[in-house]
Amino acid sequence: AQKVTQAQTEISVVEKEDVTLDCVYETRDTTYYLFWYKQPPSGELVFLIRRNSFDEQNEISGRYSWNFQKSTSSFNFTITASQVVDSAVYFCALSLQGDSSYKLIFGSGTRLLVRP
Amino acid sequence: DAGITQSPRHKVTETGTPVTLRCHQTENHRYMYWYRQDPGHGLRLIHYSYGVKDTDKGEVSDGYSVSRSKTEDFLLTLESATSSQTSVYFCAITVGQFTEAFFGQGTRLTVV
Repeated sequence: AQKVTQAQTEISVVEKEDVTLDCVYETRDTTYYLFWYKQPPSGELVFLIRRNSFDEQNEISGRYSWNFQKSTSSFNFTITASQVVDSAVYFCALSLQGDSSYKLIFGSGTRLLVRP
Repeated sequence: DAGITQSPRHKVTETGTPVTLRCHQTENHRYMYWYRQDPGHGLRLIHYSYGVKDTDKGEVSDGYSVSRSKTEDFLLTLESATSSQTSVYFCAITVGQFTEAFFGQGTRLTVV
């Protein structure tokens, strides 16, 4: 069965701290795609990144970085020097090549609170 | 901006009444989805569509039906609303195979 687990329900940090959001996925498919979305307090869902299962290169975008490790089935997200504007719920999601619906399977989300 | 509009944005309805939520897209994407978001569950797929009149069930489809008579519109109907259907509903589209999904603004539905 396919599943995404975000074990951290809520994280609270002080501004400028680094924070890592964990994502562990389960699938037997060899080709799949992983995503991160941000949901700020305003409620919309904002796409952050997509990674396919054949690309294990880490990705860095400004203060954001992603560490994809197939050996541990993890796709973790790190925010460096966090800011109050990073406060949001973050979702990790999985999509399977073998699924013709192209749907996303979401984790339960991690709520990040960055305090000034 | 993927041109997705959900209506209404907020609705309060009584148990047992029918409710229809509308998702409208402006860019003729083939795949459209309805998800619901609940605390502790993330987003879960209710139904999806892969073309006009082509729909299929998702993970939590009981109590919901959908229709897609035009490419641009995907309707979600709660035939007889129950309190367990109180949730935030998101419509989404994908722009291609295995690409990211883009979401509407969400509809907050409260069933009292």
